[in-house]
Amino acid sequence: AQKVTQAQTEISVVEKEDVTLDCVYETRDTTYYLFWYKQPPSGELVFLIRRNSFDEQNEISGRYSWNFQKSTSSFNFTITASQVVDSAVYFCALSEAYTGRRALTFGSGTRLQVQP
Amino acid sequence: DVKVTQSSRYLVKRTGEKVFLECVQDMDHENMFWYRQDPGLGLRLIYFSYDVKMKEKGDIPEGYSVSREKKERFSLILESASTNQTSMYLCASSLVPVGKNIQYFGAGTRLSVL
Repeated sequence: AQKVTQAQTEISVVEKEDVTLDCVYETRDTTYYLFWYKQPPSGELVFLIRRNSFDEQNEISGRYSWNFQKSTSSFNFTITASQVVDSAVYFCALSEAYTGRRALTFGSGTRLQVQP
Repeated sequence: DVKVTQSSRYLVKRTGEKVFLECVQDMDHENMFWYRQDPGLGLRLIYFSYDVKMKEKGDIPEGYSVSREKKERFSLILESASTNQTSMYLCASSLVPVGKNIQYFGAGTRLSVL
């Protein structure tokens, strides 16, 4: 069975600090996809990134970066120089490409509060 | 841009009422999903539909049913609402195949059952 663990329930930082959100996953599949979503106070989940299991290259998009390590089954998300607008709940999610359940398995989410 | 629209942002219903939550997507996606979001539990899948009139149970289908008569519309039905169904409900859609493709979400419906 697949599982996603986000051990950090809530993180509070001061603006301009760097912050890393942890995500650890479990799956029996060799082909799978990992996702990060952002849920601002408005409620709608916003897609941030998708990574397939064969691509372990780290990715950077502006102030956001992602570190995918198959050896530790982790897909961590770092925000550099955080801003108040980054305040949201962030979800990590997993899907298996060909077998198993046909929807995303989500972690419990990490609430990030960025104080001015 | 993909748009997933949920008909209500907030609903208040009484125990025992039949409740309909509506979701419409405008991108001709085959797959549609209903999730429930509760604090500390993340999002849990209630039902999934991969085509018109086709559906699959998710992790927590008890007390819910769904209807998909048209490709763009996916309805979640609470046959007899109970207080433990007070929650945030999120609808999503995606292209096939399911595992690979990005799911796009609506803004959610916060349901309170009194």
